Amino acid sequence: EIVMTQSPATLSVSPGERATLSCRASHSVNSNLAWYQQKPGQAPRLFIYGASTRATGIPARFSGSGSGTEFTLTISSLQSEDIGLYYCQQYYNWPTFGQGTKVEIK
Amino acid sequence: EVQLVQSGAEVKKPGESLRISCKGTGYSFSSYWISWVRQMPGKGLEWMGRIDPSESNSNYSPPFEGHVTISADKSTSTASLQWSRLEASDTAIYYCVRHARDCSGVRCDSIWYYDLWGRGTLVTVSS
Repeated sequence: EIVMTQSPATLSVSPGERATLSCRASHSVNSNLAWYQQKPGQAPRLFIYGASTRATGIPARFSGSGSGTEFTLTISSLQSEDIGLYYCQQYYNWPTFGQGTKVEIK
Repeated sequence: EVQLVQSGAEVKKPGESLRISCKGTGYSFSSYWISWVRQMPGKGLEWMGRIDPSESNSNYSPPFEGHVTISADKSTSTASLQWSRLEASDTAIYYCVRHARDCSGVRCDSIWYYDLWGRGTLVTVSS
């Protein structure tokens, strides 16, 4: 099983500032990495796939980067509607998720 | 509208059986694999297993193999997750999810990330 580790657990960012979320895989997953956002009481929503491709309807302020074992999700200018939990998921092997990073407004 | 419509919340006792469902609407249900994902209270996401509705062949994550059964009925565009004997540790929200597809080649291939999620079904198992 490929273990996904996300950091930090909680990220507090002021509106308009940059938010950087990290995801590390225990083994290389190439670019088979997706990011999801989950708001309280809602199902997760696909944000990024292929490590860097935004899903339909996702604003350009969200960008993904990385390959192999190190990945980053960047929110260039945090908006209030961006708060929530963000999960990374590898799909190189049987799918596994990270434990999530909670993004909140400072 | 393209969506996965899941059945409502359930409250069961340990040892009871249960089937929850997920109906795909607005798209060709048989063309997309469906997986089930568990979210225990306050915890992260765990992939349980997947099914190809066109052939009804399925795979399970080892922790769930033998404890749950995933099935699909293409005539009603519905996938199901069932337990024959529930345990208290089965208390969780269960999401059905649609696998993405890559149609850039001569045929479409299923990909193991999820482009459509149901709203989730809360299952509570308590004596």
